[in-house]
Amino acid sequence: SQKIEQNSEALNIQEGKTATLTCNYTNYSPAYLQWYRQDPGRGPVFLLLIRENEKEKRKERLKVTFDTTLKQSLFHITASQPADSATYLCALTGAGSYQLTFGKGTKLSVIP
Amino acid sequence: EAQVTQNPRYLITVTGKKLTVTCSQNMNHEYMSWYRQDPGLGLRQIYYSMNVEVTDKGDVPEGYKVSRKEKRNFPLILESPSPNQTSLYFCASRVRAGGSQETQYFGPGTRLLVL
Repeated sequence: SQKIEQNSEALNIQEGKTATLTCNYTNYSPAYLQWYRQDPGRGPVFLLLIRENEKEKRKERLKVTFDTTLKQSLFHITASQPADSATYLCALTGAGSYQLTFGKGTKLSVIP
Repeated sequence: EAQVTQNPRYLITVTGKKLTVTCSQNMNHEYMSWYRQDPGLGLRQIYYSMNVEVTDKGDVPEGYKVSRKEKRNFPLILESPSPNQTSLYFCASRVRAGGSQETQYFGPGTRLLVL
């Protein structure tokens, strides 16, 4: 069956360091992979999208990589700040599908 | 301001009492969907709609109904709520049904408690 796994339920990191979150998938041929941020009790907010033929995407302090051979995406936040503390969700769309399926998320805490 | 709105934001009800959660978007999006979010299970899709009068089941449709009579509105109906439908519900939309590469916009959420 298709699976999306975000390896860590929670990740604590010191302010100023780079946070790296992992998203692995199985039994997918993903066309697109997206990352969202969710604050407690609020709806997810889109951050970045990467296509299957792209290796890396950047936006300000954020960087996403996509390795279709390893079936893995890495999400990096450089120079992390306490305001970056939130749950981060990865989401996949399979080739030919309309559906966006989410991982369970990783809760990031940036400690001052 | 481009947004997805949901009402009510909080709801406490009793088993068996029919309820409707409304969802509206002002971005002229074709595609709309409903998710529920539960601790340890993440976001799971309940139903989606590719356009007016076109709806289909997601991963967890049992106990729910939807309708799409107008492009902007996509209400979620619980005909006979049960305690296992206690959850946080999100409505979402994006520009096109086939635009799965596009940003999905989420509403603020509706927290439902069924006693």
